[in-house]
Amino acid sequence: EVQLVESGGHLVQPGGSLRLSCAASGFTFSNYDMSWFRQAPGKGLEWVSDFSGVDGNTYYADSVKGRFTISRDNSKNMLYLQMISLRVEDTATYYCARRPPGTVDYWGQGTLVTVSS
Amino acid sequence: DVVMTQSPLSLPVTLGQPASISCKSSQSLVHSDGNTYLNWFQQRPGQSPRRLIYQVSNRDSGVPDRFSGSGSGTDFALNISRVEAEDVGVYYCMQSTRWPLTFGGGTKVEIK
Repeated sequence: EVQLVESGGHLVQPGGSLRLSCAASGFTFSNYDMSWFRQAPGKGLEWVSDFSGVDGNTYYADSVKGRFTISRDNSKNMLYLQMISLRVEDTATYYCARRPPGTVDYWGQGTLVTVSS
Repeated sequence: DVVMTQSPLSLPVTLGQPASISCKSSQSLVHSDGNTYLNWFQQRPGQSPRRLIYQVSNRDSGVPDRFSGSGSGTDFALNISRVEAEDVGVYYCMQSTRWPLTFGGGTKVEIK
C-alpha cells in the first residue's frame, strides 16, 4: 500500500525558515517523480515543486522560486521541501504526492504551515 | 500558464440525482505524445485529495462506476450518474499536459 506521510509543519514568523519532510513507503521511491502541493485555508490546490526521480531535475512555481528547495534521499525514501524567507501568503497545508508520468496519483495527509507574527 | 475554469462553483444535488461539473482549459490539453492529461480529484471535508479520473476518462481502481469523465481538447466534464451522500466534497480538475501543473478552482458538491 502506497503511503506518504508529511511532517515538519508549524507556526513560523514571516522571514523564517522551515523544512518539511515526506516519508514514502509501499512503492519503489526512486522510480517516481515526486511533488509538493499546497492549499491555503479554505482555498484551492496549487502545485509548488517537482523532483524528477529519473534525471534529478527540479521545477518550481514562480511564487516560490528562489525561496523553496526540493530535495530527496532515495536511500531513505524521503522527500523534503526547504522553505526560507517565508511570507504570510505561504500559509497552507502542504501535501507531498507521487507523480507517475502525466498525472498525480497518491497524496499524503498534509502538514500545516502557518506564517504569522 | 494554462488556466483551468470550473463551473459551477457550487452544486446542490438531490440524493440519487445526476450531477455534472464542467472544466475548460485556456489551451488544448493534447500533449505532443497524443495523450490528454486531464485529471479529476475529489476532496472530502477534512481529507486530502483523491484521484478519481486520469487521462480524461480512466477511472481509478476503487472509484464507483457512477463517476465518469469525458471531453477533449479544451472542454471536459465529470459526471456523477446518481449522487450519494459520500460524494459530498470539492472536486478539482487538473491539467498535467503543460508546465506548470494547474488546477481548476473547485466545485463544491453538497446535498440539497
